[in-house]
Amino acid sequence: NAGVTQTPKFQVLKTGQSMTLQCAQDMNHNSMYWYRQDPGMGLRLIYYSASEGTTDKGEVPNGYNVSRLNKREFSLRLESAAPSQTSVYFCASIRQEVAEQYFGPGTRLTVT
Amino acid sequence: GEDVEQSLFLSVREGDSSVINCTYTDSSSTYLYWYKQEPGAGLQLLTYIFSNMDMKQDQRLTVLLNKKDKHLSLRIADTQTGDSAIYFCAESRVEGGKLIFGQGTELSVKP
Repeated sequence: NAGVTQTPKFQVLKTGQSMTLQCAQDMNHNSMYWYRQDPGMGLRLIYYSASEGTTDKGEVPNGYNVSRLNKREFSLRLESAAPSQTSVYFCASIRQEVAEQYFGPGTRLTVT
Repeated sequence: GEDVEQSLFLSVREGDSSVINCTYTDSSSTYLYWYKQEPGAGLQLLTYIFSNMDMKQDQRLTVLLNKKDKHLSLRIADTQTGDSAIYFCAESRVEGGKLIFGQGTELSVKP
């Protein structure tokens, strides 16, 4: 049981490049989330997926798209990266009975 | 995390108790959480409290909830150097099971 896994761990992009951050969970959770973490700002929700086939915007969705490929996988895409998207990105899934979120190890992204 | 507020720093001596405070805004939150983040790592769930409880104790951790004042605290007894980390409080929202996080409190434990 690996929990929540994320790839890659680190990434450097040039402005305007695109990339997809991958996330998978093996706990059979329905809901999955993408957050970004910036110094002094805690974690802010980018997008979430309450169940397979649905996605909704969070607090800071601009510049991102998501795909809930199946129950296990929830990917985050940056179509045209900007320096403001330099951040640490965390994926999470939820154990619904107690709304307990499990986090992945994070992806540290730098956009130059 | 504009809706959840925490002080940014706390420094204590090893063996003392630490108290980390948090205020939140949504009175309909069902659960409130404390997460720990060590340098370079993800978030680890420490404990949570259901909104109809006033207190929860789990070994060295005590969570106090004052619903009237929308105030949550985490007390760590006998603080150790291994407790040095950033601690986040979070409130749950009914819609989509979303969590709203505070900015995090950096706890520094001095020997």
